[in-house]
Amino acid sequence: ETGVTQTPRHLVMGMTNKKSLKCEQHLGHNAMYWYKQSAKKPLELMFVYNFKEQTENNSVPSRFSPECPNSSHLFLHLHTLQPEDSALYLCASSPRGEDTGELFFGEGSRLTVL
Amino acid sequence: DAKTTQPTSMDCAEGRAANLPCNHSTISGNEYVYWYRQIHSQGPQYIIHGLKNNETNEMASLIITEDRKSSTLILPHATLRDTAVYYCIVRLNTGRRALTFGSGTRLQVQP
Repeated sequence: ETGVTQTPRHLVMGMTNKKSLKCEQHLGHNAMYWYKQSAKKPLELMFVYNFKEQTENNSVPSRFSPECPNSSHLFLHLHTLQPEDSALYLCASSPRGEDTGELFFGEGSRLTVL
Repeated sequence: DAKTTQPTSMDCAEGRAANLPCNHSTISGNEYVYWYRQIHSQGPQYIIHGLKNNETNEMASLIITEDRKSSTLILPHATLRDTAVYYCIVRLNTGRRALTFGSGTRLQVQP
């Protein structure tokens, strides 16, 4: 138990669906992250939020839309995805904003796009 | 951030020490060395980090060479639950620099 909770753990969606992934942290951290891990590939950073402000968008397609309503919650809204977007989506948080390499990851949401 | 090089895979016998090497020959003086691991289908887990001195915590020890061009993560008594991919990451601990993960070393602990 890392203190970072992701829901749902598994999600199957069609290419025309709209769904959202949710991440919640109870650690009092200031920064939150979305990473993507495709099969047999390294983790790829997608978005970073620091004190609720987006500070990094790693050239992510607009069909992925992040939302950070407060420092404890992070969402990833998904729409018109492609089969190649099937992956493990990992949320993480860190104390002291981004001035640390110590991240706490959730268990991930495994997404399958049909 | 400096690039790291790790072996693709390693085996270790259960109960023995697992020594995972990492080369980071282009590391700069104020870059830290971080280690994470990822057990299959789970999120990565922070293990340890250091700058110059050797570090130890309840999970592992980190040995950094004097020239800082390489490091070794030591799991003193490996168990089957230590089977995972281990990532060595070099990072400047200031500014907006989210962690960049490479391919890591797949450690298989054998019974």
